[in-house]
Amino acid sequence: EPEVTQTPSHQVTQMGQEVILRCVPISNHLYFYWYRQILGQKVEFLVSFYNNEISEKSEIFDDQFSVERPDGSNFTLKIRSTKLEDSAMYFCASSVTGGNQPQHFGDGTRLSIL
Amino acid sequence: AQSVTQLDSHVSVSEGTPVLLRCNYSSSYSPSLFWYVQHPNKGLQLLLKYTSAATLVKGINGFEAEFKKSETSFHLTKPSAHMSDAAEYFCVVSDFSGNTGKLIFGQGTTLQVKP
Repeated sequence: EPEVTQTPSHQVTQMGQEVILRCVPISNHLYFYWYRQILGQKVEFLVSFYNNEISEKSEIFDDQFSVERPDGSNFTLKIRSTKLEDSAMYFCASSVTGGNQPQHFGDGTRLSIL
Repeated sequence: AQSVTQLDSHVSVSEGTPVLLRCNYSSSYSPSLFWYVQHPNKGLQLLLKYTSAATLVKGINGFEAEFKKSETSFHLTKPSAHMSDAAEYFCVVSDFSGNTGKLIFGQGTTLQVKP
């Protein structure tokens, strides 16, 4: 069964550094998402992406964050200057269409900011 | 606004006994509801979905959930727990306000299965 894959599984970065989290969505899916889960808290929506542009973003997704689909397979989340509070598990998801279609998740990247 | 509330943060059952994980939702329109499961160090796996068809929804691994509009509930059940069911379970609702169906998660329920 096709899967969403995320790399790396764990990223350790110094505060203030840039970090790029990578995702390969399922190949025939058109909508892509990033979510995060801070330890002990709910999974939170960050951003959705369709047709090479951001469709929707949350208040969390400020100017420090950006997303990109640099080629036909990868979908990346960049944090420009990391803060301690960016430490979290970041999940990528994709769906065939938006709306009420199920989203398929990767295994996540655990980001630790020192 | 869409929201879900999982009524139990932790549920403990014995192997072979029934499982009940409770979820209430709030929605300003007919909701799309999901249950996801997260095993340790793994991603979020879809268990089942409700999207306004049959109110009793069957999912993978013997789980099912019943949509009850009058009670605004979407509880997850399984007749007989297995050790491999031990995991974190999330009740989730789609939010269509931004047209992309972003997911709104509950706090999660940790299911412990005792031998």
